[in-house]
Amino acid sequence: KAGVTQTPRYLIKTRGQQVTLSCSPISGHRSVSWYQQTPGQGLQFLFEYFSETQRNKGNFPGRFSGRQFSNSRSEMNVSTLELGDSALYLCASSPLLTATRDTQYFGPGTRLTVL
Amino acid sequence: AQKITQTQPGMFVQEKEAVTLDCTYDTSDPSYGLFWYKQPSSGEMIFLIYQGSYDQQNATEGRYSLNFQKARKSANLVISASQLGDSAMYFCAMREANKFYFGSGTKLNVKP
Repeated sequence: KAGVTQTPRYLIKTRGQQVTLSCSPISGHRSVSWYQQTPGQGLQFLFEYFSETQRNKGNFPGRFSGRQFSNSRSEMNVSTLELGDSALYLCASSPLLTATRDTQYFGPGTRLTVL
Repeated sequence: AQKITQTQPGMFVQEKEAVTLDCTYDTSDPSYGLFWYKQPSSGEMIFLIYQGSYDQQNATEGRYSLNFQKARKSANLVISASQLGDSAMYFCAMREANKFYFGSGTKLNVKP
């Protein structure tokens, strides 16, 4: 099976712009989660989608949004970019995220730099 | 309260020696899963090992084993015979209900 893929891998934007990141989960996985990772804050949960519905949300401002499509692919969008949004954005997929053994498998991440 | 606590920001180990990375967790749910991930400098998080709260035996995966002490709420990762390629960040995580919680990570450096 192909792993989780994320596009693009690297992105440079300027303050005030918006950005859309894409994630394709492992085939058959229905849950997709997004995380932001920065040196100062570590790994922070953004949101989780399951069957096109946002099931969980972290403590991020409304500038961060996401969605999931019927094929389980997910996108996250950040509007009005700020310097502090520079980070590695990781996407993870799991079959259901309800069973004890459900493991999250991560993609390679998108490294976003905001200038 | 922190759900996952990793108290070792950084550790050094000599090549071929064993090393233990500490992890404690906090939950009142009797059903939960514990995970360890490795993150090399490339950035990708690699799943290493899983332990379920009802599992009687400690999980093992090759050179990785999880020292699960339920009463102490600890889930330490043991890496035997360290290799240079083991140098990376290691994250402990817990799945509780339908949420995942990650610790702050431990940076492991393997010295030749």
